[in-house]
Amino acid sequence: DQQVKQNSPSLSVQEGRISILNCDYTNSMFDYFLWYKKYPAEGPTFLISISSIKDKNEDGRFTVFLNKSAKHLSLHIVPSQPGDSAVYFCAANGGGGADGLTFGKGTHLIIQP
Amino acid sequence: DSGVTQTPKHLITATGQRVTLRCSPRSGDLSVYWYQQSLDQGLQFLIQYYNGEERAKGNILERFSAQQFPDLHSELNLSSLELGDSALYFCASSVGAGTMYGYTFGSGTRLTVV
Repeated sequence: DQQVKQNSPSLSVQEGRISILNCDYTNSMFDYFLWYKKYPAEGPTFLISISSIKDKNEDGRFTVFLNKSAKHLSLHIVPSQPGDSAVYFCAANGGGGADGLTFGKGTHLIIQP
Repeated sequence: DSGVTQTPKHLITATGQRVTLRCSPRSGDLSVYWYQQSLDQGLQFLIQYYNGEERAKGNILERFSAQQFPDLHSELNLSSLELGDSALYFCASSVGAGTMYGYTFGSGTRLTVV
């Protein structure tokens, strides 16, 4: 049973426009949510996170929104830049004491010039 | 360079064999996590160690085991290897046991079982 779902395997956005990556989850016990970015041949890199008690967190060009009632979060990147082309993973932690993250399968973001 | 070192970067071995993957965490980090990324499964949490002790277990097979040594480096042992064990294995580390600010991943070991 997949507790964290990223339903779009890929997304293509024009440079300078907004990129919106979506993530749904099923476990209401998750304490916080994270987004990771991954380039080929590298490990995932932490991008931004949000606590379950917040509905928005912003860091420069990156904003994460959390809608607890819908069990949905999204990552907004504004403006999108060529270097943003990567695979983005949504992850969640908490609920039971284990510290391991539950990851979605990722969305491949392609920024077109 | 993330500060988390994984060796080897690539490993090719035959079915039925046993391999050991090694991870050196970032300086000062006490927690080590192991993840498996296969083509159709995304990143799957395997196991976590904190300061030498096992702290959490995820979807780790009985054929797999891990340990964290006094110098905090960790090893993941995979035995009786099957074709389906072919995957990228990532190690990650963090200062504490669980953090909202994520943890730092190494660049992974690509295991190919033939």
